[in-house]
Amino acid sequence: EIVLTQSPGTLSLSPGERATLSCRASQSVSSSYLAWYQQKPGQAPRLLIYGASSRATGIPDRFSGSGSGTDFTLTISRVEPEDFAVYYCQQYGSSPRTFGQGTKVEIK
Amino acid sequence: QVQLQESGPGLVKPSETLSLTCSVSGGYNNDYYWSWIRQPPGKGLEWIGYIYYSGSTNYNPSLKSRVTMSVDTSKNQFSLKLSSVTVADTAVYYCARGAARFDPWGQGTLVTVSS
Repeated sequence: EIVLTQSPGTLSLSPGERATLSCRASQSVSSSYLAWYQQKPGQAPRLLIYGASSRATGIPDRFSGSGSGTDFTLTISRVEPEDFAVYYCQQYGSSPRTFGQGTKVEIK
Repeated sequence: QVQLQESGPGLVKPSETLSLTCSVSGGYNNDYYWSWIRQPPGKGLEWIGYIYYSGSTNYNPSLKSRVTMSVDTSKNQFSLKLSSVTVADTAVYYCARGAARFDPWGQGTLVTVSS
């Protein structure tokens, strides 16, 4: 099973700042089969990025993903008020599918 | 667009079987896989497994001995059964489209295991 470790646990930012979230895998994620989700309190997760760098339908271009192998990054170029949430990475290159423990982006 | 909705009892007794159904509207077809994912209160996400319309399944090994998934294509529904539940199975249970990446998700339903 691939273990995903996200850092930092919490990121405190002001609106307009850049957010950089990290996801490290315990072994290589095949074909960059890595996704990112956003979850707000009381809501289901929403797919943001798949294939490490492809934005899902309707996702603003301030969200971008990069990386390959074992190291992946989600970047929010300028954090908007609606972006404060918890973000999870997830790998689907192997079974079982696994998620990281999440990074909370909070208002500074 | 596709919408998913979970339904089922919100309270289950220890040692009993948790049963949930996911209803799909706005675009069910036989080209998709359908998954179940859960989230204990205040914690992270755990993939439970997926099912294809043909009935083929893939379960998380950590739950495999207790999980059964089924699909009813005539009703545009798929279901989850988790047997011998304990308090550790208390979670919000989500259904979602996909076997790899998951999109969209249902709103989730809280299932509490308690006597």
